[in-house]
Amino acid sequence: QVQLQESGPGLVKPSQTLSLTCTVSGASISSDSYFWSWIRQPAGKGLEWIGRIYNSGISNYNPSLKSRVTISLHTSKNQFSLKLNSVTAADTAVYFCARDDWDPGALDIWGQGTMVTVS
Amino acid sequence: DIQMTQSPSSLSASVGDRVTITCRASQSISSYLNWYQQRSGKVPRLLISGASSLQSGVPSRFTGSGSETDFTLTISSLQPEDFATYYCQQSYSTPRTFGQGTKVEIK
Repeated sequence: QVQLQESGPGLVKPSQTLSLTCTVSGASISSDSYFWSWIRQPAGKGLEWIGRIYNSGISNYNPSLKSRVTISLHTSKNQFSLKLNSVTAADTAVYFCARDDWDPGALDIWGQGTMVTVS
Repeated sequence: DIQMTQSPSSLSASVGDRVTITCRASQSISSYLNWYQQRSGKVPRLLISGASSLQSGVPSRFTGSGSETDFTLTISSLQPEDFATYYCQQSYSTPRTFGQGTKVEIK
């Protein structure tokens, strides 16, 4: 059974860097069949795709965040991470990691989500 | 970016009702359309991928249809556990984009 679990600080100060890790169990992030993604959701609002990474290290980012976002792989730990710099209150949200199944590209498995407050 | 527009934004329905939610893409996305259910305070759950492929474990009362720019999610007979917010998402190109959501409430 594949599971994803987010971890990281729940409180980040404005202008600092938000750092989260997603630990994957039951599957290898080195698999050729999947991308590994981050999505966020401000309270009471919809879902926003942040970006994704493939096992080669190739990544895609949302242009609205691209200048501030880095997604990285940590294959030895079967983890991938999100860094979002220069945060403001607008970055306060629940952050989810998820598996993207390449074709047709659905987000088929999600982590439980972690709340990050910028204050 | 491809814009995804859902309608309605919310609806009220009774148990047993047939419910239809539509999703329109700002350009053709072939069948690269996925539907998610999110119950209050919970994690989004993939219901349908590729416009019409029901995920394992998802009840058969959920049906997805459509192609190109116009898509539909139908719940044939609404059950108490179906009261939730539903999102469409295109996986034709990056950035992936979601619809704004449709909240299905109890009448």
